[in-house]
Amino acid sequence: DIQMTQSPSSLSASIGDRVTITCRASQSLTTFLNWYQQKPGKAPKLLIYAASTLQTGVPSRFSGSGSGTDFTLTISSLQPEDFASYYCQQTYITPWTFGQGTKVEIK
Amino acid sequence: DVQLVESGGGLVQPGGSLRLSCAASGFTFSTYWMHWVRQGPGKGLVWVSRINPDGSSSSYTDSVKGRFTISRDNAKNTLYLQMNSLRVDDTAVYYCAREWNDMAFDCWGQGTLVTVSS
Repeated sequence: DIQMTQSPSSLSASIGDRVTITCRASQSLTTFLNWYQQKPGKAPKLLIYAASTLQTGVPSRFSGSGSGTDFTLTISSLQPEDFASYYCQQTYITPWTFGQGTKVEIK
Repeated sequence: DVQLVESGGGLVQPGGSLRLSCAASGFTFSTYWMHWVRQGPGKGLVWVSRINPDGSSSSYTDSVKGRFTISRDNAKNTLYLQMNSLRVDDTAVYYCAREWNDMAFDCWGQGTLVTVSS
């Protein structure tokens, strides 16, 4: 199975901060990499697919980049509703696997 | 609106069984691959199983092979997960999810909690 490693596992940030989360795969994914946001007690929500394409309705402050084994999720200006956990997921090879998650907390 | 609603979770003793259901609405259920994903308490997301649109093909994560069975009834727009020989480490919230464009999960249910404990 492809191993997905996110960093950091958690971070503290303030409203308006630029936040970057990285995801590294154990082998190349080309661009078969997705990002999900999950708030406490809620189901995950698809934010970005194919490494850099925003899902419909997702604010433009979210962006994704990368290819191969290294990927990044960036929130350009953190908003109160962005405090949540974020997960990367590879869909290059089954079984589709997730990173361990990054919790974004209020500083 | 596209909607997935899980049910069937609960408290069960180790070695017991449960059947989860996921009722789909708002889309043509019979044309989509469907998945189960679980999340242990305070843990991350783990893919569990998937099934193709007509129900003829399925796959599982290693830890549930031989114990869990995924199935679907396209006439009832419902996905199932039969869980047998449950273990304490199967305790989790179980989500059903729709696979979109062979690429991502674009729709998730609200989840149903399965607790395996004596």
